[in-house]
Amino acid sequence: EVQLVESGGGLVQPGGSLRLSCAASGFIFSIYSMNWVRQAPGKGLEWVAYISRSSSPIHYADSVKGRFTISRDNAKNSLYLQMNSLRAEDTAVYYCARDYSTMGFDNWGQGTLVTVSS
Amino acid sequence: DIQLTQSPSFLSASIGDRVTITCRASQGINNYLAWYQQIPGKAPKLLIYAASTLQSGVPSRFSGSGSGTEFTLTISSLQPEDFATYSCQQLNDYPFTFGPGTKVDLK
Repeated sequence: EVQLVESGGGLVQPGGSLRLSCAASGFIFSIYSMNWVRQAPGKGLEWVAYISRSSSPIHYADSVKGRFTISRDNAKNSLYLQMNSLRAEDTAVYYCARDYSTMGFDNWGQGTLVTVSS
Repeated sequence: DIQLTQSPSFLSASIGDRVTITCRASQGINNYLAWYQQIPGKAPKLLIYAASTLQSGVPSRFSGSGSGTEFTLTISSLQPEDFATYSCQQLNDYPFTFGPGTKVDLK
């Protein structure tokens, strides 16, 4: 069974940093591209970042470019999102999602809540 | 960036109703269009990819159609477990934008 489990969320002050992790199991992680998607409270889904199976190429939403860094460790079956210079508008549930050949995101984690507030 | 709009934003329906949701893209997306269902407090679930291909395990009452810039998601006979928010997503070009969502509620 495919499982994606996010961790690392929490409360952080504006300007602070946080690193999210996504532990993958039940599939061959190294052959899939991965994504981060977020959802602010009561709002719609927003794609955040993409990383290919080999870590190149990488793409970001304009709203996080220069502040967030997506990475992966295929040996550890893990996906990461380093978030710096956090803003109130980054408050959201962050999901990791498996990329199904750029046709859709076929498996999602349960999400981890990031709250940016003083 | 490619923008997606959905209509309606909110839809009241009864069990057994046929429901249609439309997603429009600001430019052609070569059928790189996916539909998701999201129940409050849960992660999204992929229903349809490549505009019209049913994801494995998804009931056949769900179907997708369309091409170019206009796409539809149809639920042929609404079931109690289908009351949720439905969102489209384009994967033709980065950023992979989502539509704003359509909430389907019980009439």
